[in-house]
Amino acid sequence: EPEVTQTPSHQVTQMGQEVILRCVPISNHLYFYWYRQILGQKVEFLVSFYNNEISEKSEIFDDQFSVERPDGSNFTLKIRSTKLEDSAMYFCASNLNAGYEQYFGPGTRLTVT
Amino acid sequence: KNEVEQSPQNLTAQEGEFITINCSYSVGISALHWLQQHPGGGIVSLFMLSSGKKKHGRLIATINIQEKHSSLHITASHPRDSAVYICAVRSQGGSEKLVFGKGTKLTVNP
Repeated sequence: EPEVTQTPSHQVTQMGQEVILRCVPISNHLYFYWYRQILGQKVEFLVSFYNNEISEKSEIFDDQFSVERPDGSNFTLKIRSTKLEDSAMYFCASNLNAGYEQYFGPGTRLTVT
Repeated sequence: KNEVEQSPQNLTAQEGEFITINCSYSVGISALHWLQQHPGGGIVSLFMLSSGKKKHGRLIATINIQEKHSSLHITASHPRDSAVYICAVRSQGGSEKLVFGKGTKLTVNP
């Protein structure tokens, strides 16, 4: 069964460093998402991406964040200068089309020290 | 702003018991998702529904659009059902983003 994959599973970085989190959505899906979950808190929406552009973003998704689909398979989230408060689990998700069920990847745990 | 509330926050049951987890939301939605989060953190989609009822194995999800309420039921619960169950909604109006509840932590004891 097709699944969303994410790498790495765990990333440790120092404050101020740039990180790139990678996702491979399900191959025929058209919509892609990033969510994050700070430890002990609920999952929060960051950004949605369709047709090679951001379709919606939250207040959390400020200028420090960017997303890209560099080729036909990968979908990346870049944090330019990490802060301690960026420590969280980051989930990628995709769906076939608008209104369809979203499928989640296993997550990348980002720890900023 | 759409708020999603779940109850209870924590639930402990004995193996074999019937489990109900509730979710209520504040604005009109186009769909509601029930998700399962395992201790390792991964999220698995259980159901997406916009009306009525869906069943998959021992899991049943219902939704009442008028009352803005959904329930997830687990029949004949088993220790392997222990996980966090999360309700998430997609609002009306074309947005694809999901708004999540805080989750219900279920522990099923043998």
